Amino acid sequence: SQTIHQWPATLVQPVGSPLSLECTVEGTSNPNLYWYRQAAGRGLQLLFYSVGIGQISSEVPQNLSASRPQDRQFILSSKKLLLSDSGFYLCAGMTGKLNYGYTFGSGTRLTVV
Amino acid sequence: DAKTTQPNSMESNEEEPVHLPCNHSTISGTDYIHWYRQLPSQGPEYVIHGLTSNVNNRMASLAIAEDRKSSTLILHRATLRDAAVYYCILRAGANNLFFGTGTRLTVIP
Repeated sequence: SQTIHQWPATLVQPVGSPLSLECTVEGTSNPNLYWYRQAAGRGLQLLFYSVGIGQISSEVPQNLSASRPQDRQFILSSKKLLLSDSGFYLCAGMTGKLNYGYTFGSGTRLTVV
Repeated sequence: DAKTTQPNSMESNEEEPVHLPCNHSTISGTDYIHWYRQLPSQGPEYVIHGLTSNVNNRMASLAIAEDRKSSTLILHRATLRDAAVYYCILRAGANNLFFGTGTRLTVIP
């Protein structure tokens, strides 16, 4: 089975500072990986997904970027955080087979002050 | 991606069955129906999925309408730990699963 590791659990960063959130996968190889953001009381918004090393697709224009330097590593970054970047960030993995579901990490709550 | 429609909130008494509905009238023949739930401050957790036939697992049952345009997640005996937001989503090979706002289930002791 697949396990998604995310850290840190909470993060408070000043406006204009850089960001790097890391997600690693255990228990599977060549997964599809995803970064979602959830604003308070809202649904999940897909930010980026990756089907392989170096392959990144962006779903919405934004202040963030993503990279996949290794098969089981997915990184979310920003050069300069905005207040609007605050939210609950979730990394998820999927094996790609239609009858399999997502596995989510435990999330990072980011507050930009 | 085909979208789903769920009630914003539902309540249930503890130890009673709960039926969480989901409408997906634009579902296509290859869409799998997935259910997830999200506890406060946690990532969503897979609950169950199905294609055409009803499905049972240790967490819940999934009843799928014959025309597949709706489905119902059934929790046989609600506990306080089942209080969460439940998402019904469709998957058809796309790399993006659309998570709406889900149904917030409140379990009353």
